[in-house]
Amino acid sequence: GAGVSQSPSNKVTEKGKDVELRCDPISGHTALYWYRQSLGQGLEFLIYFQGNSAPDKSGLPSDRFSAERTGGSVSTLTIQRTQQEDSAVYLCASSPRGGRDGELFFGEGSRLTVL
Amino acid sequence: EDKVVQSPLSLVVHEGDTVTLNCSYEVTNFRSLLWYKQEKKAPTFLFMLTSSGIEKKSGRLSSILDKKELFSILNITATQTGDSAIYLCAVSSGGGADGLTFGKGTHLIIQP
Repeated sequence: GAGVSQSPSNKVTEKGKDVELRCDPISGHTALYWYRQSLGQGLEFLIYFQGNSAPDKSGLPSDRFSAERTGGSVSTLTIQRTQQEDSAVYLCASSPRGGRDGELFFGEGSRLTVL
Repeated sequence: EDKVVQSPLSLVVHEGDTVTLNCSYEVTNFRSLLWYKQEKKAPTFLFMLTSSGIEKKSGRLSSILDKKELFSILNITATQTGDSAIYLCAVSSGGGADGLTFGKGTHLIIQP
């Protein structure tokens, strides 16, 4: 596709369940980011992948959060044992070179609601 | 820790008014400042500023960066209802993640 694709667009889950959120970046983009946006808040950085380098996980809020990027393309963000405070919109973005030198292209986000 | 502060957090004006949105920052090894518009879901890119004093312009929107005073402004003239959105400011720096630090955004509402 032409843009960053995320799925699911909406996910409602029960507290304690695991969830997986998927991101398909723009083809050829080497940098991929996950952000979290809670109601009324800005974007909170979670994790960053750049090419084959080790990911920057400095933004992950707890060890319940993890992410993978397979083959330098698709990424999956996994939240284990979800809590109500995990409810937010999870945005994925990709960039041809990384945020330092260029704009980020965002997906539509995955809205997660933990009951 | 890198910090980006936007003001005001929300703003309601009438169609045709001119608005100025503010973004101040404290970051290590500043590289660039970016403005995004978020209408419903995906933020879309507006401007990237790297040099002080040089205005970037796109239609009714313009932005300028002051690297000495560490702030940027985004101006929108002759506002339209379609300008209603959250405007996000982000700064790229050498500290922390190789990405962007975002402010909380300014929620702009244009009333007809």
